[in-house]
Amino acid sequence: GAGVSQSPSNKVTEKGKDVELRCDPISGHTALYWYRQRLGQGLEFLIYFQGNSAPDKSGLPSDRFSAERTGESVSTLTIQRTQQEDSAVYLCASSLTLKTGSRTDTQYFGPGTRLTVL
Amino acid sequence: AQKITQTQPGMFVQEKEAVTLDCTYDTSDQSYGLFWYKQPSSGEMIFLIYQGSYDEQNATEGRYSLNFQKARKSANLVISASQLGDSAMYFCAMRSRSGGSYIPTFGRGTSLIVHP
Repeated sequence: GAGVSQSPSNKVTEKGKDVELRCDPISGHTALYWYRQRLGQGLEFLIYFQGNSAPDKSGLPSDRFSAERTGESVSTLTIQRTQQEDSAVYLCASSLTLKTGSRTDTQYFGPGTRLTVL
Repeated sequence: AQKITQTQPGMFVQEKEAVTLDCTYDTSDQSYGLFWYKQPSSGEMIFLIYQGSYDEQNATEGRYSLNFQKARKSANLVISASQLGDSAMYFCAMRSRSGGSYIPTFGRGTSLIVHP
């Protein structure tokens, strides 16, 4: 299929290690989003990209979190010196445009990466 | 600031009956989009339906319809003829350009359980 893909699907790491989570958006989608979802909770917005630019990084929880995007394709979310509180499912989504009030603004989600920090 | 409120933490419905999940929103922007997503226990987020702020008619997608009342700032999801497979978490979301930022906003979700 041509949906959003994420890798790995599961990641178990030790406290203090760095991790990289990858997201492949739907081809042609200009916008890409990262969210965190702790067990039994709602979605916590982390960051979005318009092309390869991240206009608003205020959602990143701390300076241990960073993200980048190559052109209008792959994005990587990096968590340095992981803590147990970072354990969650990290969801990526993409949308065709960033045009509010337009159906093309609809986000389509990937299956997520389940991160467990021991 | 923009905000989404879902006041029903949990809802129960009998199979084949209709159910309404509430969502109210707040934004100062005139141009915005409203979305509903379904999240089954498997964890995937499934897009259900979209309503644009300038759309004059309520959106419909199969058994899903969105009761859009702009003046009341509500965007309730109506599921007709509920099925057992509809049991899931449902999230209401909005995107507007609030304060120059395009950050999407999600509600806390409503857990729907469909009884046979």
